[in-house]
Amino acid sequence: QIHLQESGPGLVKPSETLSLTCAVSGGSINNYWWTWMRQSAGKGLEWIGRVYATGVTEYNPSLKSRLTLSADTSKNNFSLKLSSVTAADTAVYFCARDHYFENNGIRVAFDVWGQGAMVTVSS
Amino acid sequence: DIVMTQSPLSLSVTPGQPASISCKSSQSLVHTNGKTYLYWYLQKSGQAPQLLINEVSNRFSGVPDRFSGSGSGTDFTLKISQVEAEDVGVFYCVQTLQTPRTFGQGTKVEI
Repeated sequence: QIHLQESGPGLVKPSETLSLTCAVSGGSINNYWWTWMRQSAGKGLEWIGRVYATGVTEYNPSLKSRLTLSADTSKNNFSLKLSSVTAADTAVYFCARDHYFENNGIRVAFDVWGQGAMVTVSS
Repeated sequence: DIVMTQSPLSLSVTPGQPASISCKSSQSLVHTNGKTYLYWYLQKSGQAPQLLINEVSNRFSGVPDRFSGSGSGTDFTLKISQVEAEDVGVFYCVQTLQTPRTFGQGTKVEI
């Protein structure tokens, strides 16, 4: 059974870069897309972007200019970097498996999530 | 971006009674392959969201059959046939037809 665990600093200063890693255990990151999402009191749940195991990415246009997602198959993890952060980036950040297809063709989306990592942007 | 609108935003229910949550999208969620990419999740307090329903009406593995999803195009509904105490939390609909994926505002269900 796949398990995801986010890790990274819980406090980031304004204008600096927020960095998080999602470690995947119980399965390989190969052949899947992996997603980052965040949840703040003001904006609810927000999709940040996704990365395929080969490194192909798709970003939310609202964050694209500041965002870098990557995957490391040798470490079986994937990462998020968000630059020039402000207080508006304060949120709980979740990683999740983006989707897979069941034998009956049903696309299963966001079936496995990490527990979430609280990141506060403050000086 | 596709806008997802849920109603009601909060719901007080009695155990054993039914409950229904509506989700409307600003454009059709039907893919060119004929499938509709609308999903439902429940987020319990202090936890990550958990998947309930795939593609409008397909219950995810282990989800009790008191949960059911229906709808088409832009209008969707999640129904709980008989609410149980463990169903307390915030329910979200999500579209994965397009990026960025977008969520409804959430419906808080209380007993």
